[in-house]
Amino acid sequence: DAKTTQPTSMDCAEGRAANLPCNHSTISGNEYVYWYRQIHSQGPQYIIHGLKNNETNEMASLIITEDRKSSTLILPHATLRDTAVYYCIVTISSGSARQLTFGSGTQLTVLP
Amino acid sequence: EPEVTQTPSHQVTQMGQEVILRCVPISNHLYFYWYRQILGQKVEFLVSFYNNEISEKSEIFDDQFSVERPDGSNFTLKIRSTKLEDSAMYFCASRGDRVRGNTIYFGEGSWLTVV
Repeated sequence: DAKTTQPTSMDCAEGRAANLPCNHSTISGNEYVYWYRQIHSQGPQYIIHGLKNNETNEMASLIITEDRKSSTLILPHATLRDTAVYYCIVTISSGSARQLTFGSGTQLTVLP
Repeated sequence: EPEVTQTPSHQVTQMGQEVILRCVPISNHLYFYWYRQILGQKVEFLVSFYNNEISEKSEIFDDQFSVERPDGSNFTLKIRSTKLEDSAMYFCASRGDRVRGNTIYFGEGSWLTVV
């Protein structure tokens, strides 16, 4: 799996958009970008994923650059409950060998 | 929404004892995983399981660990002779396939304390 680079920590004001960047310059053509988050010591929670097009769901939006070497996760209106460690993970989509390699992620703190 | 469930949520065991952590994956999923997270460290992959056999395992998953799917619903992780350094949160995860969905979903974890 391709390696990713994320900032160690970020702050965001409650109600504002949180934009979390991720660099994955060695991503391969068949690899997807996945975002998970971990609130305190709970299980990692799936947020969103994409291949090359921008994606949006009820939790967040994912913007992937045209060259696919970086992406940004956007939480449009951050709340205090969005305080968590956010992981950007690049992985192939299917196959028995597919699993997730977690890095250190970005600690997002939403401030009141 | 379907979810992965794990039991127990917390277990304290003495060093050298055997521990079994249990998981009920999402019902139509085909691939099953165990991860662990030592306090303050990264989430680490242990093993993946598909079609009733291990498909991949990490260096952490040595001979003291084993996994089993004893029936159609449960997926277990056994640690044969626990060591102090096995103290960690253990996460079970599962996913479907291209048809059922390839996203990996995690349970809330089992916190194992070895004393």
